[in-house]
Amino acid sequence: DAGITQSPRHKVTETGTPVTLRCHQTENHRYMYWYRQDPGHGLRLIHYSYGVKDTDKGEVSDGYSVSRSKTEDFLLTLESATSSQTSVYFCAISDSWGGKLFFGSGTQLSVL
Amino acid sequence: ELKVEQNPLFLSMQEGKNYTIYCNYSTTSDRLYWYRQDPGKSLESLFVLLSNGAVKQEGRLMASLDTKARLSTLHITAAVHDLSATYFCAVDTGDGGATNKLIFGTGTLLAVQP
Repeated sequence: DAGITQSPRHKVTETGTPVTLRCHQTENHRYMYWYRQDPGHGLRLIHYSYGVKDTDKGEVSDGYSVSRSKTEDFLLTLESATSSQTSVYFCAISDSWGGKLFFGSGTQLSVL
Repeated sequence: ELKVEQNPLFLSMQEGKNYTIYCNYSTTSDRLYWYRQDPGKSLESLFVLLSNGAVKQEGRLMASLDTKARLSTLHITAAVHDLSATYFCAVDTGDGGATNKLIFGTGTLLAVQP
């Protein structure tokens, strides 16, 4: 998967707990993205980053925060997980503005 | 607000047949992407279409973009079982330039039967 590692691959957590998902890339790509995938919705952009410490909101950013302190790592935090955040989360990277995306393997998150 | 609609949502076709998946979007954009996803797997980039009239082909798949009609098509020629997957189109929300904010369609599940 183009040098992208997502961790954990699966997580079950309880409502109200904070959760952090990690995306690590070895491609030195500038742009990194977090998407969520839900049945009937396709993929929806949560946040993205266009460089270290530079991030922007996507379509469904409420309840999520991100951080990028190094080129290779992009963290997604659910500040207080809710059942509506049960989803499959994909990290993606690209090496150019508007270029094609390379996706990680995904994290299946269940919030009970 | 940009909306992206794919049809059909589910397509069952026989090996050897041809078919087309349609991707319509609601506001002006000139950047469209096609991705493939196998069950339980990640997404793989198929095509990037960057201008009106763009046509890209790889193997049995051909994608085209008509920005005036706000329509992209993914044509499958002589389908084989290996093409069974879910296909997504995604449209950049920018008009005249990339924003890196893509809106995805809900996907077309393609099942190729022997």
